[in-house]
Amino acid sequence: QPVLTQSSSASASLGSSVKLTCTLSSGHRSYIIAWHQQQPGKAPRYLMKLEGSGNFNKGSGVPDRFSGSSSGADRYLTISNLQSEDEADYYCETWDSNTHVFGTGTKVTVL
Amino acid sequence: QLQLRESGPGLVKPLETLSLTCIVSGDSISNSNYYWGWVRQPPGKRLEWIGSIYASGSVFYNPSLQSRVTISGDTSKNHFSLTVISVTAADTAVFFCARGVKPHGIQNWGQGTLVIVSS
Repeated sequence: QPVLTQSSSASASLGSSVKLTCTLSSGHRSYIIAWHQQQPGKAPRYLMKLEGSGNFNKGSGVPDRFSGSSSGADRYLTISNLQSEDEADYYCETWDSNTHVFGTGTKVTVL
Repeated sequence: QLQLRESGPGLVKPLETLSLTCIVSGDSISNSNYYWGWVRQPPGKRLEWIGSIYASGSVFYNPSLQSRVTISGDTSKNHFSLTVISVTAADTAVFFCARGVKPHGIQNWGQGTLVIVSS
């Protein structure tokens, strides 16, 4: 069963960029993940699917400011031109043999 | 347009059974391209996958919850359900139903429903 590790928090100024990391456990470096955004008091929202190659496919309506990349066991979510509505919790998700696991989540604060 | 809506009681007594239904519109739970699942989130904590059901009828559960949960589907009503037995305060959470694309992750979420376990 894969384990996903995320930093607990990140912060950046309005209009700047922030890069979040989701690290896959040993033996699962090649796994595809998904990124989800959860604004305060709301349901999660699917952002994108991200492969180990760095290829990503975003969900409908996800702004161009959101992009993904990969390096080894690390999967990244970069938010450019940070907006106030980007203040949220961000979770990564992966799956193996029809079972799923979520990361610990990263809380993004917009300064 | 796909809509997922959770339905069920907001308050359950300890040791009783929690039952929720996800009403699906805009797609059929018989669509073999997708799977349907439940995720919960205790207050202030992270998302936890509970389990998923496929159009074939196959169901997969989180090993940590498997002994207490059941997910079933009703194609005639186009909804799927979650049952959790012997609940405790630790089961207090917002429960989300969701749709995922085979063989990948969740891509659509319901709005969620808060279930409190308390006497």
